[in-house]
Amino acid sequence: GAGVSQSPRYKVTKRGQDVALRCDPISGHVSLYWYRQALGQGPEFLTYFNYEAQQDKSGLPNDRFSAERPEGSISTLTIQRTEQRDSAMYRCASSWGAGGPVDTGELFFGEGSRLTVL
Amino acid sequence: DQQVKQNSPSLSVQEGRISILNCDYTNSMFDYFLWYKKYPAEGPTFLISISSIKDKNEDGRFTVFLNKSAKHLSLHIVPSQPGDSAVYFCAASFQRSYNTDKLIFGTGTRLQVFP
Repeated sequence: GAGVSQSPRYKVTKRGQDVALRCDPISGHVSLYWYRQALGQGPEFLTYFNYEAQQDKSGLPNDRFSAERPEGSISTLTIQRTEQRDSAMYRCASSWGAGGPVDTGELFFGEGSRLTVL
Repeated sequence: DQQVKQNSPSLSVQEGRISILNCDYTNSMFDYFLWYKKYPAEGPTFLISISSIKDKNEDGRFTVFLNKSAKHLSLHIVPSQPGDSAVYFCAASFQRSYNTDKLIFGTGTRLQVFP
């Protein structure tokens, strides 16, 4: 597609349930990033991939959060046993990759998945 | 520990005047800086960037200034237009230091341009 696509756009779940958020990056983009954004705050880094390899997961808050990108394209962010504090906008972004053919350092963001945990 | 700080949560400017948005950072290893603009219900979109080897980058009405010694950058918009009303995020990366595009964002400044 033309841009980064995320689904679902809105997810309401009950505390304790697992949720999976999907990101389809711009075709050809090497790097894929997950961010979380609370109201009134900037995007907070969670994790990122180069191709299928998870390069940095230092921003994942705890072991209930995991992400994968098995074929180097679509990625899934999974939150197990959700808690109310997990409620936020989850944003995916992709880029050509540092040092790649188009090295602008620019990340392209999707519209986000808004998660509400009741 | 907030490595990128935008101390002004909001700014109001009259149309036609200059808007100046400020950003401070703490990590001297940052080597690339970007500004993103965000409209309601949309994802952030890239606006302008600057490498740490430069002190100014200009693109139309937008100019970013970098003062490495002060660990400070600013975005100037001149002349400001009502369509510029949005939240502006400053971001920094270690692109050339660690070969990653991972961005660290500030908390944002809401710009309102009134007629």
